[in-house]
Amino acid sequence: AQTVTQSQPEMSVQEAETVTLSCTYDTSENNYYLFWYKQPPSRQMILVIRQEAYKQQNATENRFSVNFQKAAKSFSLKISDSQLGDTAMYFCAFMKARANAGNMLTFGGGTRLMVKP
Amino acid sequence: DAGITQSPRHKVTETGTPVTLRCHQTENHRYMYWYRQDPGHGLRLIHYSYGVKDTDKGEVSDGYSVSRSKTEDFLLTLESATSSQTSVYFCAISESPGAYNNEQFFGPGTRLTVL
Repeated sequence: AQTVTQSQPEMSVQEAETVTLSCTYDTSENNYYLFWYKQPPSRQMILVIRQEAYKQQNATENRFSVNFQKAAKSFSLKISDSQLGDTAMYFCAFMKARANAGNMLTFGGGTRLMVKP
Repeated sequence: DAGITQSPRHKVTETGTPVTLRCHQTENHRYMYWYRQDPGHGLRLIHYSYGVKDTDKGEVSDGYSVSRSKTEDFLLTLESATSSQTSVYFCAISESPGAYNNEQFFGPGTRLTVL
């Protein structure tokens, strides 16, 4: 079974600064996907960024980027130029690469990020 | 936004009563999922469906059953609700397990309180 651990229950950052959220996972799979989801106070789950394990290049989406270290089973999220709208819960999630069945997500416990003006 | 609705959005019920939550999608996606969200646990998979009448258990399936008689609807039933089932329930859908379209889209959630 896979496990995902987010060791920082809460974090805060000043507006316009950079913050990094940590995530580690445990799996025996070689092919898989990793995700960061954002959950603002509205409770809606929003995909922030995705990384395929077979790709060495770290994924980037505008102000969001990841540091994927496959050997270390680490997948951190960096938010640059933090904005007030980034205030939310952030969840790291793991998905096995399966060709013919539902892709179940395994989530970490979440990190609550507060962006301060 | 993906067309996913959940009903009801909020429900308060008493221990021992049956409860059914509905997830409805307009995207014609094959895969549908039910998760529950509890503090400190993130989201955990209850059941999922990979087609009409095809379902399977997830990580925390005890006390829950599901049914899918149409592509667009996925029902989650608590046969006899318990206080430990107080949670926020999310439905999700995905098109396929393929590499480029395996993103899961989530509904708005249902907050269930069992007294």
